[in-house]
Amino acid sequence: DQQVKQNSPSLSVQEGRISILNCDYTNSMFDYFLWYKKYPAEGPTFLISISSIKDKNEDGRFTVFLNKSAKHLSLHIVPSQPGDSAVYFCAASVSGDYKLSFGAGTTVTVRA
Amino acid sequence: NAGVTQTPKFRVLKTGQSMTLLCAQDMNHEYMYWYRQDPGMGLRLIHYSVGEGTTAKGEVPDGYNVSRLKKQNFLLGLESAAPSQTSVYFCASSYSPAAYSPLHFGNGTRLTVT
Repeated sequence: DQQVKQNSPSLSVQEGRISILNCDYTNSMFDYFLWYKKYPAEGPTFLISISSIKDKNEDGRFTVFLNKSAKHLSLHIVPSQPGDSAVYFCAASVSGDYKLSFGAGTTVTVRA
Repeated sequence: NAGVTQTPKFRVLKTGQSMTLLCAQDMNHEYMYWYRQDPGMGLRLIHYSVGEGTTAKGEVPDGYNVSRLKKQNFLLGLESAAPSQTSVYFCASSYSPAAYSPLHFGNGTRLTVT
C-alpha cells in the first residue's frame, strides 16, 4: 500500500503561469518531505525539501507547502518555464531513517 | 566528476537467466540504494547499504541480492530473472540518511525479461 500518493498523473500549464503539484501521505510518522525532478533517460535530481516543523519552504521559483493536519503537501512553480517539463516525484521519510517513500510521480508539460 | 554511474544502460534477459547490475559512486558516500521504477508505482526501494560490508532489505527485496564489498560500489544481482522484474533500475547514494541529505541518482538501467 503506497504511503505517498500523487493523484494527478499529469499536468499541463502555459509558460509563465503557476504549476501546482499535489501530494498526500498516510503515515503520520513522516516528518521530512522532498521533491525530486526527473527528465527522460536521466535519474531523479533533488529539488526542494521541507521538515514538519515548517509549513513553507521557498527556493527561487519553487515553493513547497506542508499541511500536517491534512497530511498534504504541494509544490508551486512560479513562473513555469519550458525547462520545467519533467516528472516530479514527492517523497517522504521519518527523521533518521534510511528510506524514502516515493509517490508515483506527476508529469508536467509547460506549453509555450 | 562522474557522480553515480550505472552499467549496463540496457539489458534483455530470458526468464531464468542471471545478471548483475553495477553501481559506482565517486563522492565517498556511505549510503547507497537500489530502486526500481514501474509505471504508476513510483520508485520502490529494493535494498540499501549504510556502509561498506553492510546491506539491508527495502520494500521489494524478493528475487534480488546485493553486495557492498567496496565503499564505492553497490552490486544488484538477479539470480533467476522473471518477467515481473522488467523495470527501470536506479542506483542512488547519499552522504547521510535519505531524510537528511539528497539522494544522487544514476541514469538508470532498463531491464526487459522475456
